[in-house]
Amino acid sequence: DIQMTQSPSSVSASVGDRVTITCRASQGISSWLAWYQQKPGKAPKLLIYAASSLQSGVPSRFSGSGSGTDFTLTISSLQPEDSATYYCQRGNAFPPGLTFGGGTKVEIK
Amino acid sequence: EVQLVESGGGLVQPGGSLRLSCAASGFSFSTYWMSWVRQAPGKGLEWVANIKQDGSEKYYVDSVKGRFTVSRDNAKNSLYLQMGSLRAEDTAVYYCARIYNFWSGYYRDYWGQGTLVTVSS
Repeated sequence: DIQMTQSPSSVSASVGDRVTITCRASQGISSWLAWYQQKPGKAPKLLIYAASSLQSGVPSRFSGSGSGTDFTLTISSLQPEDSATYYCQRGNAFPPGLTFGGGTKVEIK
Repeated sequence: EVQLVESGGGLVQPGGSLRLSCAASGFSFSTYWMSWVRQAPGKGLEWVANIKQDGSEKYYVDSVKGRFTVSRDNAKNSLYLQMGSLRAEDTAVYYCARIYNFWSGYYRDYWGQGTLVTVSS
């Protein structure tokens, strides 16, 4: 199966900072990648799909980029409500599964 | 408004069975792939099963193959997960999610609130 590896596993930053999270696929997946945000006790929420398309209602401080094997999620100006765990997910259909990365916990200093 | 509501979770003994349900509303259920995803306590997300619109294709993570069965009833707008031979490591919150297809990519765009399954004696 295609493995998704996120780094770092956690990051601590101040309000207003720029935060970047990376996701690497073990094989090329074109632009078929999504990013999710999950807050404690809540279901995940889709932020970005197709590597760089912003889901409706998601603040514009979130952006995604990359293709092939290397992808990034950027929060341009970190806000207190962005404290959460972020997951990438490959979106290519085969092999089936749509697997997730291990997650990156973003904390506010 | 798209809504997904899971039910059926609870405490079950090792080796036991449980059936989860997911009631969908607010969209044309029969036109979407659907998915079950789980999250063990303090751990990350793990996909469990995906099912095609008409139920003709089903895929499972290796750890549940032969023990879990995903199904759907499009007339009832419902998704199911029949879980058998349950193990302690199946303990998790189980989410159902809709799979959105965009330019050949597949993404889980709506999620239920989750239902907790605890496998313990």
